[in-house]
Amino acid sequence: AQSVTQLDSQVPVFEEAPVELRCNYSSSVSVYLFWYVQYPNQGLQLLLKYLSGSTLVKGINGFEAEFNKSQTSFHLRKPSVHISDTAEYFCAVFMNTGFQKLVFGTGTRLLVSP
Amino acid sequence: DVKVTQSSRYLVKRTGEKVFLECVQDMDHENMFWYRQDPGLGLRLIYFSYDVKMKEKGDIPEGYSVSREKKERFSLILESASTNQTSMYLCASSTSSTGGYTFGSGTRLTVV
Repeated sequence: AQSVTQLDSQVPVFEEAPVELRCNYSSSVSVYLFWYVQYPNQGLQLLLKYLSGSTLVKGINGFEAEFNKSQTSFHLRKPSVHISDTAEYFCAVFMNTGFQKLVFGTGTRLLVSP
Repeated sequence: DVKVTQSSRYLVKRTGEKVFLECVQDMDHENMFWYRQDPGLGLRLIYFSYDVKMKEKGDIPEGYSVSREKKERFSLILESASTNQTSMYLCASSTSSTGGYTFGSGTRLTVV
């Protein structure tokens, strides 16, 4: 069965500093990978996705992620964060064969302070 | 702009009440999902549906049921609400091709 691990439940960072949110997955078949962001009291919004092709994926709000098949990772990065990036970030994996549902990690809360 | 709409943002219900949470999507998506979100537990799948009148149990279906009479609408039903069902409930829809979900804004349910 596939699973997603987000080891960091919370990541504090200062404004304008770089940040990396880690995501590892386990799956024996090829997958699609997603990052979602959730601002306070809102639903989840798609940040970026990897389906195929280039392993470096760029998303909204200056975020990017790199798919590393050998390390089964899909870490999210931003070179310079803003206060407005404070939110919860969810990594998710989807098997691209047959009907399968997205499996989500437990989320990482990014706290950006001035 | 594509949309998933959940009928209520906040709900307060009493223990034992029957509760209906409604979700409507305007994207003609085949698949619809209900999750609950709790601190430290992430998103847990309650039920999903891949077609009208079809439903499948997710990871935590106990105490819940669903209804999908029309393609655009997917309802979550708490037959007899209990305090441990106090949570944020998120509805989502998707096509089968790439797995990306579109989420509603969520309903924060408090059972007292």
